[in-house]
Amino acid sequence: NAGVTQTPKFRILKIGQSMTLQCTQDMNHNYMYWYRQDPGMGLKLIYYSVGAGITDKGEVPNGYNVSRSTTEDFPLRLELAAPSQTSVYFCASSYGTYYEQYFGPGTRLTVT
Amino acid sequence: DQQVKQNSPSLSVQEGRISILNCDYTNSMFDYFLWYKKYPAEGPTFLISISSIKDKNEDGRFTVFLNKSAKHLSLHIVPSQPGDSAVYFCAASALKGGSEKLVFGKGTKLTVNP
Repeated sequence: NAGVTQTPKFRILKIGQSMTLQCTQDMNHNYMYWYRQDPGMGLKLIYYSVGAGITDKGEVPNGYNVSRSTTEDFPLRLELAAPSQTSVYFCASSYGTYYEQYFGPGTRLTVT
Repeated sequence: DQQVKQNSPSLSVQEGRISILNCDYTNSMFDYFLWYKKYPAEGPTFLISISSIKDKNEDGRFTVFLNKSAKHLSLHIVPSQPGDSAVYFCAASALKGGSEKLVFGKGTKLTVNP
C-alpha cells in the first residue's frame, strides 16, 4: 500500500515555464487536496476535490489549475511559473470530512 | 488574517518530561481540530483530533485539550521522547458549516533532548 505518492520530488523551473505536479493515491479516497508550504509558514490550501470530476478553489488558487478525471489522480498544473510559486507542494487525500488527511512526501519546486 | 495561531515557533524539553504545544484560533465556526506532526523532507502525518463537543481526547502519550470559550487548544505529550522531535501543526475546520477545508497554523518545532 503506497498511500499518497507525488512526482517529481524536486524541480527547478525557469520563469514562464509550465509543469504538472503528479499526485496519486491508492486508498480509494474521495477527497484530495493540494497545499503549498512556504518557509516558516503553515500549509495553505490551493485546490481540493471531493470526487472525480469535482474540484474547487482553496485559499491560494491563482496561478494553478487542477483536474480530477479519476479517483486516484489529482494533478496540479502550473501554467506560467513565477518566483512566488517557489515552495514545497503537498498532496493529501482523505475519506471525507471528519477523517484525517494523508499526505504525500512533497515536491520541492524552485522557480528562477 | 491568521485564523489559527501557534505563537511559539519552537519548544525544547528534556526526555521524559511533558511537552505542551499551544494553538489559538479566531474563527468561532471552527468545530473540528487536528494536530499533525512533520519530520524534515516528509509530508505531515496525522496525530490526534478533537471535535468541539469534547474538551479532551487522549491517545497513548498524546492528549489534546480544547477550551472553546478561550478559543484555545493544546497538545500534551507525556513522556516526551527524542523521536517526538518534529514540527507540530495545529489545524482547524468548520465542518458543520459545510467546509472540507483545513486551516493550518505555522507550526511549532519541538526538540526533545536526551
